[in-house]
Amino acid sequence: DAKTTQPNSMESNEEEPVHLPCNHSTISGTDYIHWYRQLPSQGPEYVIHGLTSNVNNRMASLAIAEDRKSSTLILHRATLRDAAVYYCILRITDSWGKLQFGAGTQVVVTP
Amino acid sequence: NAGVTQTPKFQVLKTGQSMTLQCAQDMNHEYMSWYRQDPGMGLRLIHYSVGAGITDQGEVPNGYNVSRSTTEDFPLRLLSAAPSQTSVYFCASSPRQGNSPLHFGNGTRLTVT
Repeated sequence: DAKTTQPNSMESNEEEPVHLPCNHSTISGTDYIHWYRQLPSQGPEYVIHGLTSNVNNRMASLAIAEDRKSSTLILHRATLRDAAVYYCILRITDSWGKLQFGAGTQVVVTP
Repeated sequence: NAGVTQTPKFQVLKTGQSMTLQCAQDMNHEYMSWYRQDPGMGLRLIHYSVGAGITDQGEVPNGYNVSRSTTEDFPLRLLSAAPSQTSVYFCASSPRQGNSPLHFGNGTRLTVT
């Protein structure tokens, strides 16, 4: 299975953007890039996903490199509620949700 | 809409005891799965089901049993609890289609002494 590499932690000030990098150099053509986040004492929550093009939704933006070997999750204005562990996951279509989680990136937001 | 509901939220067992972790979803999702999360680590897949009557093993299935008699429910059974099964357990569901996101419950924190 293709693996991802993320920094252990990142810090941000409130209301500033946060750019979370993810390396996936062994990604295959059928792998989608998914991001989930996990708030303290809660289950993971879906954030965004994409294949080749950049994607935006109400929670975040996903910027995917042209060679697809890396991607960046962008939180445009961090709030205290965005403090969580963020997981970058490669998912094969029709993999029946068998997500392979790494350790993720702990985001700390400072007021 | 309740989403994915897990019960109980907390449980303490003695070594050798058995118990069932309950998971129910009200979204008519075909796919359901169980993960465990140990301190400082990501989630690991225990068992999953692609529909009623169909189950399969994930990455760490030993010591756990599952069954799926209805679309809504996917219980996880520990037949003889061991301290190594101390963990937080998450249930998830999703529609069958392609890249549909998974919906997770809020977990059951299990301690085996």
